Order: sequence, then structure tokens, then C-alpha cells
Amino acid sequence: DTGVSQNPRHKITKRGQNVTFRCDPISEHNRLYWYRQTLGQGPEFLTYFQNEAQLEKSRLLSDRFSAERPKGSFSTLEIQRTEQGDSAMYLCASSLAMLENEQFFGPGTRLTVL
Amino acid sequence: DQQVKQNSPSLSVQEGRISILNCDYTNSMFDYFLWYKKYPAEGPTFLISISSIKDKNEDGRFTVFLNKSAKHLSLHIVPSQPGDSAVYFCAASANFGNEKLTFGTGTRLTIIP
Repeated sequence: DTGVSQNPRHKITKRGQNVTFRCDPISEHNRLYWYRQTLGQGPEFLTYFQNEAQLEKSRLLSDRFSAERPKGSFSTLEIQRTEQGDSAMYLCASSLAMLENEQFFGPGTRLTVL
Repeated sequence: DQQVKQNSPSLSVQEGRISILNCDYTNSMFDYFLWYKKYPAEGPTFLISISSIKDKNEDGRFTVFLNKSAKHLSLHIVPSQPGDSAVYFCAASANFGNEKLTFGTGTRLTIIP
């Protein structure tokens, strides 16, 4: 069990470019979550999957954001036409879909939009 | 609408003393509460949790207390150690943890040697 991994760890891009992040959850976990954290704030929920099904999306998630989890394993989060306001730490977490079970977080991907 | 609030942005405690971090929530649907610890450039690390059917949960130096009527929880760390210096986030979930987490804004704890 190597924990939740995220790639890349850092991404610098120019405004208007598309970026894609990857998350590999703990292998037996069927739930996968994406959160976003900005300076001075706690993580904010974006979306989550159970296996390959996307069960909930936050209204924070504009139509420039899309997430997938093909085959219920790794997940990708894509941001199209990036804006400076997208600069943040993007966190992925995974868990088992059961009661009173904690989410385990990856190290995050820090996005800077110039 | 901040449903989970941590009103103390920072806290300094002498090594060996007790650290008490507080958290308030407003959403009555929350029934599962967690504390996470975060170091710079790392993801949050789970510390301890409590469900609404309990009022206390203990794990080593960490104890979480839940007061449902006041919608308040607290994390006690005793004795505090230098390695405890980090940002602590309170998080809450409905459906006994089987849903998304809503986080507070965090409290930066500094342990003074």
C-alpha cells in the first residue's frame, strides 16, 4: 500500500491553456474525491466517484472542469482554458464506501496560472 | 456560508502542555467529524474521528470531544510535542462519513520548545 499518489506535483501554465492532473488512489478503495485548496482556506469539495460513476459535482465546478475515472481505478481532472483564479492546490482523496471511514489524501498538485 | 468554523487561526502552546483546538458547525445533517493535520506542501493526514453517537474518542495523545447540542467539537493533544506543529483542519460529513467532507479554515498550532 503506497498511499494516494498525484501527478504532477507542480504545474505552471499560461492563462488559456488546458491542464490535466492524475490521481492514483489506494488500490482497494472504491471512492475517489477531488478537492481544491486556496491559501488560507480549507479544502473545498469538487467532485467524487464511486468506482467509475461520478456521483456528485460541486456547483464550484464550472463547465471548464471535467473529471473522469475510467475503469474505476485512477482518475483525471482536466481544466480547460485556465484562468488565474484556478491557481490552487488540487487534492485527491480515496476511501472505502462504508460508514465511519476516513478519506486518505494524496500530496496534491499545485497549479499556478500565469 | 461557512458550515464548519475554526475561529482561531493560530495557537501557541508550550511543549508538554495541553493543546486544545476548537471547531463549530452549523449543519444539523453532519454526523461524522474528523481532524486532519497538514504540513506545508503535503496533503492532509487523518488524525482522529468521532461519530455523533459518541461524545468522546481517544487515540493515544489525541482526544476528540463532541457536544452535539452546542454543535461544537474540540481536539485535545496532551502532552504537546514539537512535531505537532502544523495546521489542523476540522472536517464534517453527513451519512456517517459516507459523503464528501466539509472543512474548516484551519488552525496553525505552534509548539514552543
